[in-house]
Amino acid sequence: DAGVIQSPRHEVTEMGQEVTLRCKPISGHDYLFWYRQTMMRGLELLIYFNNNVPIDDSGMPEDRFSAKMPNASFSTLKIQPSEPRDSAVYFCASSKGRDVTGELFFGEGSRLTVL
Amino acid sequence: AQKVTQAQTEISVVEKEDVTLDCVYETRDTTYYLFWYKQPPSGELVFLIRRNSFDEQNEISGRYSWNFQKSTSSFNFTITASQVVDSAVYFCALESGGGADGLTFGKGTHLIIQP
Repeated sequence: DAGVIQSPRHEVTEMGQEVTLRCKPISGHDYLFWYRQTMMRGLELLIYFNNNVPIDDSGMPEDRFSAKMPNASFSTLKIQPSEPRDSAVYFCASSKGRDVTGELFFGEGSRLTVL
Repeated sequence: AQKVTQAQTEISVVEKEDVTLDCVYETRDTTYYLFWYKQPPSGELVFLIRRNSFDEQNEISGRYSWNFQKSTSSFNFTITASQVVDSAVYFCALESGGGADGLTFGKGTHLIIQP
């Protein structure tokens, strides 16, 4: 079975450019999470969706960050405009149900470098 | 608020030694879940174990074992007869509050197994 698929795996961009990260969750999973990993702050939850609806976006750093989930098989995390401090690894994860706290399946991450 | 503390930033041992990674958590909830994830050098996050707060039985899976002690709010992870392939960053994580906040991760422990 295919796991969570993220693209791109690596992105290098210049400050001010728009960045779009993509995620395809595991089929049948109804929860999708976006995490950011940095050396300073570790792994932080940015936002999560349930049945394509954003439930909690309190972790999104600022208005430059936005996330969408137009359907059950696709989500995007967009940064516009990007800044050097956004450099991090961004992970997408999905799970089936939360009431039984199912295992979170993580993608391989998208490593973003903003110059 | 919930918090996970992994006090050991980095541990280095020689192959075949046993090693224990510590994890201390804080939560006001009586129902919660604890996790361990492995992040090898390739970067992906690999699920190792999930334990709920009502199950204090220790668990063993091959060379891996977990010791859950509610009295000390700890969920420690031991690798027996370590191998070079065990080298990775290991994250302890907590989910409480019905999962509304996703997972809270510790900062991770970088485990280095020297041949």
